[in-house]
Amino acid sequence: DAKTTQPTSMDCAEGRAANLPCNHSTISGNEYVYWYRQIHSQGPQYIIHGLKNNETNEMASLIITEDRKSSTLILPHATLRDTAVYYCIVPPFLGGATNKLIFGTGTLLAVQP
Amino acid sequence: SAVISQKPSRDICQRGTSLTIQCQVDSQVTMMFWYRQQPGQSLTLIATANQGSEATYESGFVIDKFPISRPNLTFSTLTVSNMSPEDSSIYLCSVKLQGYGYTFGSGTRLTVV
Repeated sequence: DAKTTQPTSMDCAEGRAANLPCNHSTISGNEYVYWYRQIHSQGPQYIIHGLKNNETNEMASLIITEDRKSSTLILPHATLRDTAVYYCIVPPFLGGATNKLIFGTGTLLAVQP
Repeated sequence: SAVISQKPSRDICQRGTSLTIQCQVDSQVTMMFWYRQQPGQSLTLIATANQGSEATYESGFVIDKFPISRPNLTFSTLTVSNMSPEDSSIYLCSVKLQGYGYTFGSGTRLTVV
């Protein structure tokens, strides 16, 4: 499994962009990068995923470096409700499909008023 | 994406007893997963439950303690057997839909006294 490394915690001012880095230097060619977040006492929420191209949806943007060894999740205008633990996950690619999600410790993003 | 209904949402149980947690999905899914989240910790994968085959357990988890059933493509149960206070956790089920990401239930908060 491609192991990911994330900072333990980060702060961000409300209304500013939050940039959350993730290192996945052992990622293989078919493995995707997934981002989830968990707001206190809730189940994990899907944010975005990508393979090699940058991706954007209504929640966030995902920037993947050309060598795919790292990525950055961008929340363009952080709000207090974005305070959560953010997980960067690279599930193994087995049998032609992505497999189980293994969670690391994630990054606790604290959005400050 | 799929909608997951997990029951019960919470329970308080006596040590030595067993609790069965149900996970119902509104779509047919091949891959279902069960996780445990101990207080203040990240999610830990217990097992992968694919319909038509025995569940595959992660290191540190055994079938005698966490028996899993997967009778069809929309339903699964996880039993926490012979409970002790160390089993107090949030238990979550998750599914993977073809072409989509992974969706999580809201969890079962278990307290063993």
